[in-house]
Amino acid sequence: AQSVTQLGSHVSVSEGALVLLRCNYSSSVPPYLFWYVQYPNQGLQLLLKYTSAATLVKGINGFEAEFKKSETSFHLTKPSAHMSDAAEYFCAVTSGSGGYQKVTFGIGTKLQVIP
Amino acid sequence: DAGVTQSPTHLIKTRGQQVTLRCSPKSGHDTVSWYQQALGQGPQFIFQYYEEEERQRGNFPDRFSGHQFPNYSSELNVNALLLGDSALYLCAQARVNTEAFFGQGTRLTVV
Repeated sequence: AQSVTQLGSHVSVSEGALVLLRCNYSSSVPPYLFWYVQYPNQGLQLLLKYTSAATLVKGINGFEAEFKKSETSFHLTKPSAHMSDAAEYFCAVTSGSGGYQKVTFGIGTKLQVIP
Repeated sequence: DAGVTQSPTHLIKTRGQQVTLRCSPKSGHDTVSWYQQALGQGPQFIFQYYEEEERQRGNFPDRFSGHQFPNYSSELNVNALLLGDSALYLCAQARVNTEAFFGQGTRLTVV
């Protein structure tokens, strides 16, 4: 079984401040990990993914995440928040082999950026 | 290269009715999954189709059924609608072992 825990359903940061969104995963096999972003009334857009290559993964819009196996974590960061980053962010995990497996999502973290 | 397209974008149905939601594929993507996203929640996996067969299923009742066509497009059918079925329904497509590409979703309201 696989699961994802996102710590903090709401996070507020000032414009220009560091963004840190936390995600811990549970998986019985080496996982594939993802961060998706969802703007209001939109579908989900992939920010970045970890697929067992480099542990530090760079994504779009200046976001990056670091896979830490010892901590079972995959936290999302951005050095300087922009107003356009205000959205909901979902951490997700899929694992297994032999085909595309179901993706399990966290409950989401809503990011508010204060001017 | 067109993205994943879902139709309709919004839908209002009455309790007890049946609904069909549609998803058109991103070019070359052969696996389709459907998710239900209730307000304030993360997406919940309903089922996945590959080569026109249901391959995996989440914890959803048999009222939820699907179909995948030879051109990889897909339908989600929900029978005997309940108020609790009101949600954003997301279709995601991917090639095997790649990330999923999501459509914009269909907002279903059951009244």
